[in-house]
Amino acid sequence: NAGVMQNPRHLVRRRGQEARLRCSPMKGHSHVYWYRQLPEEGLKFMVYLQKENIIDESGMPKERFSAEFPKEGPSILRIQQVVRGDSAAYFCASSPQGRGNQPQHFGDGTRLSIL
Amino acid sequence: DQQVKQNSPSLSVQEGRISILNCDYTNSMFDYFLWYKKYPAEGPTFLISISSIKDKNEDGRFTVFLNKSAKHLSLHIVPSQPGDSAVYFCAASDRSADKLIFGTGTRLQVFP
Repeated sequence: NAGVMQNPRHLVRRRGQEARLRCSPMKGHSHVYWYRQLPEEGLKFMVYLQKENIIDESGMPKERFSAEFPKEGPSILRIQQVVRGDSAAYFCASSPQGRGNQPQHFGDGTRLSIL
Repeated sequence: DQQVKQNSPSLSVQEGRISILNCDYTNSMFDYFLWYKKYPAEGPTFLISISSIKDKNEDGRFTVFLNKSAKHLSLHIVPSQPGDSAVYFCAASDRSADKLIFGTGTRLQVFP
């Protein structure tokens, strides 16, 4: 499967715990984007990363959220001290180039539920 | 501030007829537009895109039309099939950023 891989597909956490969401981009893609979808809403941009660099984090909440895309391994979206409002579907997308009118291709998402 | 708007939350079309999904945007800097299709519990699947230098792009049963003066685009599906039943998202990006701005989606139901 050469598509964008996200894991886990479902994640349940209690308030105050940490959530780690992983994303492996499509083969040959070095640009990764994270989006969040709340119920009955569209996807909202969170962060754009290239290998070892955060390019645009304008959609990330100021606190508790962080993202990385190390030289080796998947991109990680980390949410510390989760709260009920963090319950959402988190989608990762990748593209071969950062610009140049290339579509972003999405994984199937991680559905995060906070108890 | 909703920069990309899909004002119809749902659309119901008979199999074989044309489905027309609409999208409006407010940011004149947007230069690339995309349509995604999404099934429940799956990620969005890229369908078709259009650059602002064009006013039409066609791919099989799917055609996207762009009217820059009206800041409006539409997706035409013809003929519609039951497998087309899904939520359709319009998205846009501009030259200064790589992020996609999404509309809230239109749920299309194609009935026999």
